[in-house]
Amino acid sequence: QQPVQSPQAVILREGEDAVINCSSSKALYSVHWYRQKHGEAPVFLMILLKGGEQKGHEKISASFNEKKQQSSLYLTASQLSYSGTYFCGTEDSYGGATNKLIFGTGTLLAVQP
Amino acid sequence: GAGVSQSPSNKVTEKGKDVELRCDPISGHTALYWYRQSLGQGLEFLIYFQGNSAPDKSGLPSDRFSAERTGGSVSTLTIQRTQQEDSAVYLCASSLRLGYEQYFGPGTRLTVT
Repeated sequence: QQPVQSPQAVILREGEDAVINCSSSKALYSVHWYRQKHGEAPVFLMILLKGGEQKGHEKISASFNEKKQQSSLYLTASQLSYSGTYFCGTEDSYGGATNKLIFGTGTLLAVQP
Repeated sequence: GAGVSQSPSNKVTEKGKDVELRCDPISGHTALYWYRQSLGQGLEFLIYFQGNSAPDKSGLPSDRFSAERTGGSVSTLTIQRTQQEDSAVYLCASSLRLGYEQYFGPGTRLTVT
């Protein structure tokens, strides 16, 4: 039931790009993305809804493939501030807009100078 | 404006004692969520409240865990007869309404000795 994230960890140099993937075994209503820095609370990045609607920060891009039950988060021209653990949270389609999120185990991203 | 606040920030308790964790959501947010995060792990959904509807308690790990939300605002998570495996960071989040981004509080770090 818990979505699977890949990769588990990635190290980048400033300016490099990265893709973080999130896969579910269930049909999904929405996918949420959050970033958590060490010792801090998770911070909202993006919501992707079934049907194509997206809500999020302008500098963040992501995709949601409903058929494959997958979402990808695209980090381009990475900055030091992008470092942290990225979590996807999935809401299955059975319950509709419950906003009950099941989070993945996270992807640790480290951006080096 | 003020964000989500939680108290206490740290709590050390002896095995078998009861603890109460408090969450003050953002004013006007109708939805409130509790999550648990064990060391190095992802976010585990516990319970959510939406307006005056019955809470979704499906994530509570045992009947030792309970939560209430008074007046549609402040929420208290109670853990009775604490066990060592209850040690974790307990995070509270609120959102304007279902389907919107969640704003997380700083968490309460619970240590059961």
